[in-house]
Amino acid sequence: GENVEQHPSTLSVQEGDSAVIKCTYSDSASNYFPWYKQELGKGPQLIIDIRSNVGEKKDQRIAVTLNKTAKHFSLHITETQPEDSAVYFCAASGTTLTFGKGTMLLVSP
Amino acid sequence: SQTIHQWPATLVQPVGSPLSLECTVEGTSNPNLYWYRQAAGRGLQLLFYSVGIGQISSEVPQNLSASRPQDRQFILSSKKLLLSDSGFYLCAWSLGQVNTEAFFGQGTRLTVV
Repeated sequence: GENVEQHPSTLSVQEGDSAVIKCTYSDSASNYFPWYKQELGKGPQLIIDIRSNVGEKKDQRIAVTLNKTAKHFSLHITETQPEDSAVYFCAASGTTLTFGKGTMLLVSP
Repeated sequence: SQTIHQWPATLVQPVGSPLSLECTVEGTSNPNLYWYRQAAGRGLQLLFYSVGIGQISSEVPQNLSASRPQDRQFILSSKKLLLSDSGFYLCAWSLGQVNTEAFFGQGTRLTVV
């Protein structure tokens, strides 16, 4: 089955800095890669996704890149704000979504 | 628009007691439904998924079971809870099983004491 590795597990940045979270996957058949943001005590919310026919996608301060050859994809958040603090999950879609273990992002004012 | 409801939000149950968590989806038909567990360490582990009424696939052998009595209703159950069943349980839905976004409920925090 699919295996998704996510790094780092914790990321601390200053407000205004950029944050990058990286994921790798194992199943070359996967072709849908969503990113979720989970705030404390809540369910994960989809923030951006990318499909394998696209190398990069951007939505305001958030961007995702995908390298299918290397089987890795990354989330980039620019101009971070304290409200970006949360746990972020990457996932890869084979038969079902397989999630990484999450990255706790802490943005200090 | 589609919404997903999951309850209760918090539950404390003694070891050996039964469990029933319910999830319903509104605003769509024939969704794929999922139960995930999130234990300490934050990872999301898929427990069960269903592509239709009465159709349940189990991803991990365990003390839990799932049922789908109606198109938009998904229930997670246990006859006798174990301490290790404690965790944050999340229901999710999607349209299609492959390469589609999943939408999560707000979760149930289960503590087995």
